[in-house]
Amino acid sequence: EAGVAQSPRYKIIEKRQSVAFWCNPISGHATLYWYQQILGQGPKLLIQFQNNGVVDDSQLPKDRFSAERLKGVDSTLKIQPAKLEDSAVYLCASSLGGQGARSYEQYFGPGTRLTVT
Amino acid sequence: GQQVMQIPQYQHVQEGEDFTTYCNSSTTLSNIQWYKQRPGGHPVFLIQLVKSGEVKKQKRLTFQFGEAKKNSSLHITATQTTDVGTYFCAGPGSNDYKLSFGAGTTVTVRA
Repeated sequence: EAGVAQSPRYKIIEKRQSVAFWCNPISGHATLYWYQQILGQGPKLLIQFQNNGVVDDSQLPKDRFSAERLKGVDSTLKIQPAKLEDSAVYLCASSLGGQGARSYEQYFGPGTRLTVT
Repeated sequence: GQQVMQIPQYQHVQEGEDFTTYCNSSTTLSNIQWYKQRPGGHPVFLIQLVKSGEVKKQKRLTFQFGEAKKNSSLHITATQTTDVGTYFCAGPGSNDYKLSFGAGTTVTVRA
C-alpha cells in the first residue's frame, strides 16, 4: 500500500514569511497527526485530527500555526509568520483509528525540512 | 502532563555486542510503542506492547513492558551496522491515539 505522502520535502524561507505543508495519509486512515521534530529531539505533536475534526491541538502555537483537514483526507499545515525557532522537520503521520489491535500504530511520511533564515 | 524519558541518550556499541535502552513514564501507560528512525529518515513503527510484563521479540530485538506498565526496555543482541539509528519509545497521552515521544536513544555501531 502507498505510504504517507508529504510535500515539499525541503523549504527555505526568511523569517516573517509564510509557508504551507501538505500531507496525504494512507488510504482509509481516520487519524492524522502533524509533528514538529527539532534536531536531536523526539517528535512533538502539534495537532491531531480524527476524520475532519480536531482531537488535540494543545501544543499548536495558534498565533502563527494553523492546520485543516477539510474533507477528512488531505491536510495542510501553515505557518504565518515564520520565526527562526520554527526551523525543524515537520512530520505527518496517520493511523487507522477505531478500536482494533493495530489502531494506534502510526505511519510517518518522509517529512518536510524547514529552514527559516 | 505525561512525560516519557529514555536512557541513555547515546549508545556507542561495538559490532556484535549486546545493549539495552530504557524508557520510563511518569504515569501508568495503557500501551507503549517503539519506533526506529534511521539518520535522515522518518520514524518507523516497530512494535506495540499492551499487557503488563509483556515480552515480544523481533529477530535480535527484545521488547519488554514493565509489570507496573510505567517502563519498557529494548534489548538488541549481536548488534549490526543495520541497527544504527535513533530508537524512540512513545506512550499515549490524554487520549489513546495521542503519543508522547521520548527524546530517543541514538545508536552508533563500531565495526
